[in-house]
Amino acid sequence: GESVGLHLPTLSVQEGDNSIINCAYSNSASDYFIWYKQESGKGPQFIIDIRSNMDKRQGQRVTVLLNKTVKHLSLQIAATQPGDSAVYFCAENIDGANSKLTFGKGITLSVRP
Amino acid sequence: KAGVTQTPRYLIKTRGQQVTLSCSPISGHRSVSWYQQTPGQGLQFLFEYFSETQRNKGNFPGRFSGRQFSNSRSEMNVSTLELGDSALYLCASSLFAGANVLTFGAGSRLTVL
Repeated sequence: GESVGLHLPTLSVQEGDNSIINCAYSNSASDYFIWYKQESGKGPQFIIDIRSNMDKRQGQRVTVLLNKTVKHLSLQIAATQPGDSAVYFCAENIDGANSKLTFGKGITLSVRP
Repeated sequence: KAGVTQTPRYLIKTRGQQVTLSCSPISGHRSVSWYQQTPGQGLQFLFEYFSETQRNKGNFPGRFSGRQFSNSRSEMNVSTLELGDSALYLCASSLFAGANVLTFGAGSRLTVL
């Protein structure tokens, strides 16, 4: 069945370093892959998305990589800042016709000063 | 520009009762989605509404229902509450149905005793 999972529950990085958050997915039919972050006491916030016909997409300080061969998605954050500390979720949208997103369990990113 | 507003933010109910949660989307957004967030199951899709019509429904029992009004505001209802319904209920809005870019509210924290 549908499954979006994350390899590690927590990630601790030094401020200024680059962060890489990984995600495995199992539904090869998914058309969109999305990253959200959730800060304490807030709802998830959209970061970036990528369509299945792309391998890489860049945003401001973030890059998402998609490897369909091994069903792997990653989020790279450059020059990680304390404000990046949050729980990160990968999600997939099967067909883009509905906003029915399947979310992974989440990984906590902790930035050390 | 106001964000997604959810009320109430916190509420406590007892088993067997029912609850109604409200969501006001961002002005101009016509699609509203609801998600349940728990530590064990993570974020799970409940339903999506667009132009007062339910477009999609997640794998939840019939006790969970929702509706959308002509001004795009939405409500969800849970009847005959069970302990396992304790969760953070998140509402998200988007300009159109099928969007990956969802703007989430801060959620309604429901505790069932």
